[in-house]
Amino acid sequence: QLRLQESGPGLVKPSETLSLICTVSGGSSTNYYWGWIRQPPGKGLEWIGTIYYSGNTYYNPSLKSRLTISVDTSKNQFSLNLSSVTAADTAVYYCARRSCYLCGHDFWGQGTLVTVSS
Amino acid sequence: QSALTQPASVSGSPGQSITISCTGTSSDVGGYHYVSWYQHHPGKAPKLMIYDVRMRPSGVSNRFSGSKSGNTASLTISGLQAEDEADYYCSSYTSSSTWVFGGGTKLTVL
Repeated sequence: QLRLQESGPGLVKPSETLSLICTVSGGSSTNYYWGWIRQPPGKGLEWIGTIYYSGNTYYNPSLKSRLTISVDTSKNQFSLNLSSVTAADTAVYYCARRSCYLCGHDFWGQGTLVTVSS
Repeated sequence: QSALTQPASVSGSPGQSITISCTGTSSDVGGYHYVSWYQHHPGKAPKLMIYDVRMRPSGVSNRFSGSKSGNTASLTISGLQAEDEADYYCSSYTSSSTWVFGGGTKLTVL
């Protein structure tokens, strides 16, 4: 059974870079699209961005200037880097899979809470 | 891109049917057949319930159905059960080749 697991620091200081890794197990990362979604406390889901296993990326325009998503198929991992964070970036961050870019996210990680605070 | 508009909450009794709306624009919901719905129990991973407006992934109950008219998509849950109580989110592809979620709807089973 496919499993996605987010990992990374739970606390990041303002103005620093938030870095998360999603490890894919029980399946291959090739031929799929991999993405990040977040949910700030008490708010709804927000699409952050998506990457194809070959490296093509699609970013939320509101985050694009601070965002980098990359993939390492040899490790079955993909990562999120969000720079110059503020308290508004505090959220539960989920990684998820799409079978195609126009498909829904069919597998999700459990999510990891990242708090931005000094 | 602005979030799609969903009612903050809906409720229904066991056995009843409810419908959750998701309103966007011609640049997202109205322009494409790529609307998805997710069920989210707090503290758990969201679950894909509907994709491509009305398609159900394998394993999802046929009590869940999706539709679309103009700029508004809808999720209908028939034969409400206690386990259906959760937050529900719609998501749509956009003309900018990006994705946008709705604000979410809290379903309460009375």
